[in-house]
Amino acid sequence: KNEVEQSPQNLTAQEGEFITINCSYSVGISALHWLQQHPGGGIVSLFMLSSGKKKHGRLIATINIQEKHSSLHITASHPRDSAVYICAAYSGGGADGLTFGKGTHLIIQP
Amino acid sequence: NAGVTQTPKFRILKIGQSMTLQCTQDMNHNYMYWYRQDPGMGLKLIYYSVGAGITDKGEVPNGYNVSRSTTEDFPLRLELAAPSQTSVYFCASSRDRLNSPLHFGNGTRLTVT
Repeated sequence: KNEVEQSPQNLTAQEGEFITINCSYSVGISALHWLQQHPGGGIVSLFMLSSGKKKHGRLIATINIQEKHSSLHITASHPRDSAVYICAAYSGGGADGLTFGKGTHLIIQP
Repeated sequence: NAGVTQTPKFRILKIGQSMTLQCTQDMNHNYMYWYRQDPGMGLKLIYYSVGAGITDKGEVPNGYNVSRSTTEDFPLRLELAAPSQTSVYFCASSRDRLNSPLHFGNGTRLTVT
């Protein structure tokens, strides 16, 4: 079974700072998901990637398949970025092949 | 363009009661999932479905049942609610297997007392 670890667990930063959230996994994967969970509880998919890098607005996700590691970066952070960020690694097979990390709780202070 | 709709948002049950959490999606996705989220833990898969008429157990299926009579609907049934089922429940769907983006409902916060 895949072990998915996220770091840090909690992160508080000032508005405008560059943010990095890390995700490492133990078993080879076919896809990695980054999700955002807002304080109201809803979960939104940010990225799904299997190699390289993806960018959407101020968010960038990268993955290194050889090192079994992915990062989520936020440039020019804003208080509205405050949320829990969750990575999930899919090692293939059925739906039980998706393993979720415990999440990184990010607070951006104005 | 509703996406994945879950009802209810909140529910309090007494021990031994039953209820159904409703989930419907309008994206014609074949794959649908039920997860539970407990404090400090990653999401855990309860049941999933790869198409109408097909369901399968996930990691934590005990105490739950599902059905998938149509592509759109994937209700989760709790029989004989127990305090251990106090959790936040999320329904999700994806177009293809889990190497395609996931779409989540807004969640149901369930308390069993």
